[in-house]
Amino acid sequence: GDSVTQMEGPVTLSEEAFLTINCTYTATGYPSLFWYVQYPGEGLQLLLKATKADDKGSNKGFEATYRKETTSFHLEKGSVQVSDSAVYFCALSSGNTGKLIFGQGTTLQVKP
Amino acid sequence: DAGVIQSPRHEVTEMGQEVTLRCKPISGHNSLFWYRQTMMRGLELLIYFNNNVPIDDSGMPEDRFSAKMPNASFSTLKIQPSEPRDSAVYFCASSFMGQGSYFGPGTRLTVT
Repeated sequence: GDSVTQMEGPVTLSEEAFLTINCTYTATGYPSLFWYVQYPGEGLQLLLKATKADDKGSNKGFEATYRKETTSFHLEKGSVQVSDSAVYFCALSSGNTGKLIFGQGTTLQVKP
Repeated sequence: DAGVIQSPRHEVTEMGQEVTLRCKPISGHNSLFWYRQTMMRGLELLIYFNNNVPIDDSGMPEDRFSAKMPNASFSTLKIQPSEPRDSAVYFCASSFMGQGSYFGPGTRLTVT
């Protein structure tokens, strides 16, 4: 069945460092891909999405490109801030019900 | 739009009691999802509805759990009787045509 694999955390970076969180997927067909962020004590927020190959999703300085050839959707940010500390989830969705398959989540800690 | 609304935000109850969690999805969304999040098991999909009809309840842990969606603007998740291992954060999310799910703030359930 469909699945999502994320890099293990926690990821610890200094402020203004470059961030990459790897995400790869297995799916039949052509899924939509998502990144969600969960700040402490809150629900998941949709960060960005891409619905077809080579699409780039972007929001709040974060980017991810849908790479069909490598079945990947890596999350990047050029300069992280302390306020970016959170758990990041990669997810895919097939069909139009919106059912999401999540990765296990990656904790990001940014230190001043 | 107010986003997905969940109530209560916190619930503390004794083992054996009935617990009802409530969700109001975003107006116009056609799919609704109930998730449970714990440190041990991460984020689990319990059940989802499409156009108010339950589509997949394979994630519901036991017969003690039940969910209903009597109309497009309201859903409940009921646990009867509750047990300490049901303690978790329960999230409701809604989606329109698979374009990404929007999560509520969650209900933190503690069963003593």
